[in-house]
Amino acid sequence: EVQVVESGGGLVQPGGSLRLSCAASGFTFGNYAMTWVRQAPGMGLEWVSGISGTGGSTYYADSVKGRFTISRDSSKNTLYLQMNSLRAEDTALYYCAKAGRSGWPYYFDCWGQGTLVTVSS
Amino acid sequence: EIVLTQSPGTLSLSPGERATLSCRASQSVSNNYLAWYRQKPGQAPRLLIYGASSRAIGIPDRFSGSGSGTGFTLTISGLEPEDSAVYYCQQYGSSPTITFGQGTRLEIK
Repeated sequence: EVQVVESGGGLVQPGGSLRLSCAASGFTFGNYAMTWVRQAPGMGLEWVSGISGTGGSTYYADSVKGRFTISRDSSKNTLYLQMNSLRAEDTALYYCAKAGRSGWPYYFDCWGQGTLVTVSS
Repeated sequence: EIVLTQSPGTLSLSPGERATLSCRASQSVSNNYLAWYRQKPGQAPRLLIYGASSRAIGIPDRFSGSGSGTGFTLTISGLEPEDSAVYYCQQYGSSPTITFGQGTRLEIK
């Protein structure tokens, strides 16, 4: 079964850091691009960052560029999102999702259940 | 950046009726790279349609997508109570930034 499971969310103070992880299973991880999408409470979906299947290309929304870093470890079948200089407006449920191919951009055919990040003092 | 505008904001229909959801793009979507997702309360989004009109695996033929360029439509026929959800469109034709519409809430009364 194709599956992605997020972890690492929590409560962090403004200006703090957090690293999210996404464990993938049921597919050849390196053959597919991956992405992070977030959803603030009661709001719609906002794309955050993406990475190609090889990990050689990374992409960011303007709202997180310079603060967040996406990476992947094919030996562990895991996607990461390092989040620095966190702000209150970064508070959201963060979803990891698998793309339908290795290249970027594409649609997303498998989503995790999300991990909640709360930025508050 | 391509802005996607979905309408209506909320749609209230009865079981058995047909729902028509619209997604308009601020500029032409290359290769009709437009996807639709359904998000039920408390759940993650699920892919319904990709490439504007291709159904994802396991999606019944009650769901159909159409359109090209800047105008796209998701049609759901024979509405069932389980179709109550928020529906999002997403464009992936403009690299590197992908964008989502703001969503249409479908209520089955």
